[in-house]
Amino acid sequence: DAGVIQSPRHEVTEMGQEVTLRCKPISGHNSLFWYRQTMMRGLELLIYFNNNVPIDDSGMPEDRFSAKMPNASFSTLKIQPSEPRDSAVYFCASSWAGSSNQPQHFGDGTRLSIL
Amino acid sequence: QQPVQSPQAVILREGEDAVINCSSSKALYSVHWYRQKHGEAPVFLMILLKGGEQKGHEKISASFNEKKQQSSLYLTASQLSYSGTYFCGTESEDFVFGPGTRLSVLP
Repeated sequence: DAGVIQSPRHEVTEMGQEVTLRCKPISGHNSLFWYRQTMMRGLELLIYFNNNVPIDDSGMPEDRFSAKMPNASFSTLKIQPSEPRDSAVYFCASSWAGSSNQPQHFGDGTRLSIL
Repeated sequence: QQPVQSPQAVILREGEDAVINCSSSKALYSVHWYRQKHGEAPVFLMILLKGGEQKGHEKISASFNEKKQQSSLYLTASQLSYSGTYFCGTESEDFVFGPGTRLSVLP
């Protein structure tokens, strides 16, 4: 079975540009998580969806970040406008029935560099 | 609130044992353990639920003391492949990963 698929794997763009990260969860999973990982802040949960509905977006840093999940097989994380401090590795993970007693399966991540 | 992990880093020789601790100030429903190798995604190891259970994965096991809101990961007879950063994730009213423990196993 295919795992969580993220695209692009790498993104380099200039400050002020819009960035869109994409994620396809594992088929049958009904929870999806977006994480940001940096050396300074570690692995931070940005937002998670359950059955395509955003449940907790308290980790979204500011209004420049937005996430959508239009259907069970696709989610996007958008940054507009992007800033150098947004440079990080962004992971998407999926699981069955939320975080309780079910493992999260991570995609390979998107390494984002904002110049 | 992020759980606390200790130690921050540990260096072992192949075949030695290690313990990684994770503690929270909140009452926990479960504790997850993940391992991340450099440049890769975190990979699930095990989940421990309330009840003080102990689980095992290869020569890696873990325990969960719900009264103390603490979990420990035990790595026995470590192998080179165990090198990486180990994260605990704690579930209470939210789910939060700890800062990680960097484990290096040397030949």
